[in-house]
Amino acid sequence: QLQLQESGPGLVKPSETLSLLCTVSGGSITSGSYYWGWIRQPPGKGLEWIGSIYSSGSTNYSPSLKSRVTISVDTSKNQFSLNLSSVTAADTAVYYCARRPEIVEVPAATTPGAFDIWGQGTMLTVSS
Amino acid sequence: QSVLTQPPSVSGAPGQRVTISCTGSSSNIGAGYDVHWYQQLPGTAPKLLIYANSNRPSGVPDRFSGSKSGTSASLAITGLQAEDEADYYCQSYDSSLSAWVFGGGTKLTVL
Repeated sequence: QLQLQESGPGLVKPSETLSLLCTVSGGSITSGSYYWGWIRQPPGKGLEWIGSIYSSGSTNYSPSLKSRVTISVDTSKNQFSLNLSSVTAADTAVYYCARRPEIVEVPAATTPGAFDIWGQGTMLTVSS
Repeated sequence: QSVLTQPPSVSGAPGQRVTISCTGSSSNIGAGYDVHWYQQLPGTAPKLLIYANSNRPSGVPDRFSGSKSGTSASLAITGLQAEDEADYYCQSYDSSLSAWVFGGGTKLTVL
């Protein structure tokens, strides 16, 4: 059974770069056609998509964060990572990693999948 | 301000039926992009509840159903149970933003 697990420092100072890892277990990150994504949730607020990476390495990012975000994949370690630069208090959130199938089959059609497997999340606080 | 609009809260008594709406625009739901729904129990990660408008992943009870029409989508929960008390989020793709977008979330209270 595929599982995702986030890891990170917990606390980052303003203006520094946030670095988080997502470790995939129970299956290979290169097996099948999947996007691997990051989603965050500020305390008491809703979900925000940050960006995704395909197992081939191609990426797409939220326009609102694009200038500060880098997502990369390390297939040898079965991990993908998130770097977010120049962080501020507004970046304080629970960060989730999740898998999204490139396509799924529905009756009489195929369509892009939803985020079907999520990690438990890791809290990241930006504070001096 | 979320791109997809959900009511902040809904409530219902055990056994009742409730619906949660998700209103978008011509650049997301109205453009034909599918809507997905997630359930987030207190203190836990979101869980996929409905994908591609009306499809249930394995293990999701058939008390949960989804529909889509025009620029809106809805999640219906029948036979409400105490364990359904959670936050619910809709999600779609927005072509103007070139981004996956979520609704602001709806808190379901079981009375």
